[in-house]
Amino acid sequence: AQSVTQLDSQVPVFEEAPVELRCNYSSSVSVYLFWYVQYPNQGLQLLLKYLSGSTLVKGINGFEAEFNKSQTSFHLRKPSVHISDTAEYFCAVSEADAGNMLTFGGGTRLMVKP
Amino acid sequence: DVKVTQSSRYLVKRTGEKVFLECVQDMDHENMFWYRQDPGLGLRLIYFSYDVKMKEKGDIPEGYSVSREKKERFSLILESASTNQTSMYLCASRPGRGQPQHFGDGTRLSIL
Repeated sequence: AQSVTQLDSQVPVFEEAPVELRCNYSSSVSVYLFWYVQYPNQGLQLLLKYLSGSTLVKGINGFEAEFNKSQTSFHLRKPSVHISDTAEYFCAVSEADAGNMLTFGGGTRLMVKP
Repeated sequence: DVKVTQSSRYLVKRTGEKVFLECVQDMDHENMFWYRQDPGLGLRLIYFSYDVKMKEKGDIPEGYSVSREKKERFSLILESASTNQTSMYLCASRPGRGQPQHFGDGTRLSIL
């Protein structure tokens, strides 16, 4: 069975600083990988996805993530954060050949300070 | 843009009541999902549906049932609400396998 671990429950960072949100997964088969963002009192919005091809994936709002198969990781990065990036971020994985059910990590709350 | 609409943003019900949460999507998606979201636990899948009148249990189906009579609508039913079902409930849909899910804004349900 697949599982997803987001190593940091909260990440405080100053505005314009770089940030990395970590995500590791466990699965014995090929996977699809996703990052979602949740702003306060809203549902989840897709930031980016990895289905196949290039391991560096670019998403919306200047975010990118890199799929590392050997380390089973899919860390999210942004070179310079804004106050408006304050939100909760969820990593999710689905196995490519098993109905594609998503398994979510516990979430990381990004807090951008002025 | 895909629109997934949940009928209520906030709902307060009493223990033992039968509770209906409604979700409608406007993009003719095949698959629909119900999750609950709790702090530190991320999202956990309650039920999903591949097509009309089809349903499958997710990871935490106990105490819940679902109905999908029309393609665009997926209802979550709490047969007899209990306080441990106080949570945020999120509905999602997707066109098919391998495609990203699109989420509604959620229903924050409190059971007193």
